Amino acid sequence: NAGVTQTPKFQVLKTGQSMTLQCAQDMNHNSMYWYRQDPGMGLRLIYYSASEGTTDKGEVPNGYNVSRLNKREFSLRLESAAPSQTSVYFCASSQQGSPGSSYEQYFGPGTRLTVT
Amino acid sequence: QQPVQSPQAVILREGEDAVINCSSSKALYSVHWYRQKHGEAPVFLMILLKGGEQKGHEKISASFNEKKQQSSLYLTASQLSYSGTYFCGTLDNTGNQFYFGTGTSLTVIP
Repeated sequence: NAGVTQTPKFQVLKTGQSMTLQCAQDMNHNSMYWYRQDPGMGLRLIYYSASEGTTDKGEVPNGYNVSRLNKREFSLRLESAAPSQTSVYFCASSQQGSPGSSYEQYFGPGTRLTVT
Repeated sequence: QQPVQSPQAVILREGEDAVINCSSSKALYSVHWYRQKHGEAPVFLMILLKGGEQKGHEKISASFNEKKQQSSLYLTASQLSYSGTYFCGTLDNTGNQFYFGTGTSLTVIP
């Protein structure tokens, strides 16, 4: 039982390049989330998927797109990376509901992304 | 909209107690607490729902005062393993807005 897994662990991009961050969970959770974490800013929600087939914007969605591929997988895409997107990205899942519902969130190990 | 946590940082000796506060400008439905160790993912501690309940998790407990729109996390007889950054997350009464605070860094020294 791996929980929430993310790939890659580290990535360096040049400005303008694109990439997709992958996330998968094996807990049969309905809801999945993408956060970014910057020093002094805490965790900020980018997008979430409350159930398979649905996605919603969070606090900081600009510059990102998401795909809920199936119940297990939720990917985050940067179409044209910018230095402001340098951050640590965490994927999380919970049994159900939108962020802050009555269920705890399980976080993946994170992806450290640097855009030069 | 982002809840405010205080203090920003605290250093304790093993065995000492600490309180971390989380305040919001909005009426709240729930407060979540997570701990994150350096270089690792956040780990869930507890959720407090509207109703002013208090919860406990080993020697860590929390309270939620919905009238004051704030929650407090209590760490008693701190251990070295308690070191990390503590985040609160708040969901407002509309159920639509969930934000994490900026965190409180807790360091426990021998």
